Amino acid sequence: GIQVEQSPPDLILQEGANSTLRCNFSDSVNNLQWFHQNPWGQLINLFYIPSGTKQNGRLSATTVATERYSLLYISSSQTTDSGVYFCAVLSDSNYQLIWGAGTKLIIKP
Amino acid sequence: SAVISQKPSRDICQRGTSLTIQCQVDSQVTMMFWYRQQPGQSLTLIATANQGSEATYESGFVIDKFPISRPNLTFSTLTVSNMSPEDSSIYLCSVRQGSQIGYEQYFGPGTRLTVT
Repeated sequence: GIQVEQSPPDLILQEGANSTLRCNFSDSVNNLQWFHQNPWGQLINLFYIPSGTKQNGRLSATTVATERYSLLYISSSQTTDSGVYFCAVLSDSNYQLIWGAGTKLIIKP
Repeated sequence: SAVISQKPSRDICQRGTSLTIQCQVDSQVTMMFWYRQQPGQSLTLIATANQGSEATYESGFVIDKFPISRPNLTFSTLTVSNMSPEDSSIYLCSVRQGSQIGYEQYFGPGTRLTVT
């Protein structure tokens, strides 16, 4: 089945820094989502981005479907950006989300 | 986008007891899902609950341990039965909604369960 790998696994930054999180997937996909899980456990939808580029405030994402990767950019990090960022793709075989292991981001004040 | 609520938000339960988690969605949805997230891990799908049919369980999960109800298009329950400390996890309800550009999945706030 499809494999989803995220990097880096952990990232510690000072407030105000920029960061790039990566998601690689092993097969072509028609559906890719980025989520932020805050320290209280809630999963927040960031982007639905099977291809192309989207921006929402300080966050943007780019998916290059032909090269099987997606990038999440966070600019001018704030402490509220801390948490775990997950990438998930929809499997064409069983129509379920396949999850990466996540990137744990800590923003220090 | 769907707005999902779950009850309870957290609970501490004793070994051998059962807990029922409720999931309410603000719109009618066909596909609802229940996930488990063990500490420090990614999400694992427990089952898919479609209204009017039996839930479909993933490998490693059985109906006797995780019975699910789906009485209508906006509500579902997951019961964690005969709990053990290994069941301590966050349990999340999720729905999938389609649009012109594809299917997007949304999650409830989760139920944080601790079994002692």
